[in-house]
Parts: sequence; structure tokens; C-alpha cells
Amino acid sequence: DQQVKQNSPSLSVQEGRISILNCDYTNSMFDYFLWYKKYPAEGPTFLISISSIKDKNEDGRFTVFLNKSAKHLSLHIVPSQPGDSAVYFCAARPLYGGATNKLIFGTGTLLAVQP
Amino acid sequence: GAVVSQHPSRVICKSGTSVKIECRSLDFQATTMFWYRQFPKKSLMLMATSNEGSKATYEQGVEKDKFLINHASLTLSTLTVTSAHPEDSSFYICSARWGLAGGPREQFFGPGTRLTVL
Repeated sequence: DQQVKQNSPSLSVQEGRISILNCDYTNSMFDYFLWYKKYPAEGPTFLISISSIKDKNEDGRFTVFLNKSAKHLSLHIVPSQPGDSAVYFCAARPLYGGATNKLIFGTGTLLAVQP
Repeated sequence: GAVVSQHPSRVICKSGTSVKIECRSLDFQATTMFWYRQFPKKSLMLMATSNEGSKATYEQGVEKDKFLINHASLTLSTLTVTSAHPEDSSFYICSARWGLAGGPREQFFGPGTRLTVL
């Protein structure tokens, strides 16, 4: 049962254009959402997050949008740079669970930014 | 800040041997650490949640006797793959979560350990 889904396994974008990575979830009890970036043979690095009380969070070139009614979030990267090429995972945390709240990860989207 | 290290980064072992992987939070106290496994082109699969000073909580389908987890201090958790077999070959990643109130809610990941069992 995949509670967090990234339906696009890969995405190719030209340098300088916008990259839009999508993520859907099924559990309405998720209250915190995160995006991680992962290079091959490395651990994921935290990119940006958003709480369920917001619908947008921006950090430099990265903006995350949350549509709770649609149970959908997206990560926008603009302008895209070749160094952004990596696998992007979205993750979600349930509201209840205390300090050991585990993250539920999506399957990842491989972003390739073409020079 | 919030750096997590793993050691070793790569290990090759013979079938039947045991391998220990260390996960350390270098600049913060982590009451909770998580162990993940990633298969090629697959998502991160949570194996277990490691709580300092108590037994780890394993996800369904993960053999606790096969994957021994110890979280003896606020900065160190270890994963021991016992009697390793070729099917245990994978990329193992740990993460740590800030243990203090008011700390960041995200997990910080280590660089991963590539295990190859011959």
C-alpha cells in the first residue's frame, strides 16, 4: 500500500526552465511533508518542507506547494540547473506518533537537467 | 550542523559472515535513529526505528534476528547484518532525528553504506 506516490519516475528539463515534481498521498492524517534530494551512492539531503497549515513554502529556487483537498504536493525548481540533476523523494509524516514519527517516502523521481 | 556519518561507506564480505554498520550524529543528540534499505531504482524502505536505550521497532517483514540494531547512546546506533547472504546486498542508509523539543522535524541522513555479499 503506497501511501505516498510519485507517478513520474523521471523528468527531463532544459537548464534555466522550471522543473515541477509531483507527489500524491492518500493518508489525510499526514501533517508534514518534506522533499529530499539524493545523488547516487549518497544519503538523501533535506531540501524543503511544508506543514499542513500552509499551502506554500519558498526557499530560494525551491518552492513547495500543498493542495490538501487534492492530497497533492509539488516541488518547483526555477531556474533549473544541471547540478539539480538527482533523484527527488517526497516524504510525509503522520500527525500522531510522537517523537518517533517515521517518514513515509515516495518512490522518487529522477530529474535530469540538460545544459 | 545536523551531520550524520556512517561507517563503513562500502563493505564486501563473504556469505555467512556478520557485518556491523555504524551511524553517528556528529553535532546533535538523536534520541531516534532510523535504518533504511534501498534497492536499485527503488524507494527507501524503512527497516526499523531505533530508540536510544530501548529495543528497536522493526517494520513488518524485517527479521529482527537478522538485522540487529543497537542504539546505546544519543549519538550512535549500529546495524549488524548477521549471517549475511547475497540477497542482503544493498545500500543501507541511516537517519537521525533531533531529540530535543523545538528541534527540526526533518530527519538527517547519513551518506549510506554499500554492502556487497559474495
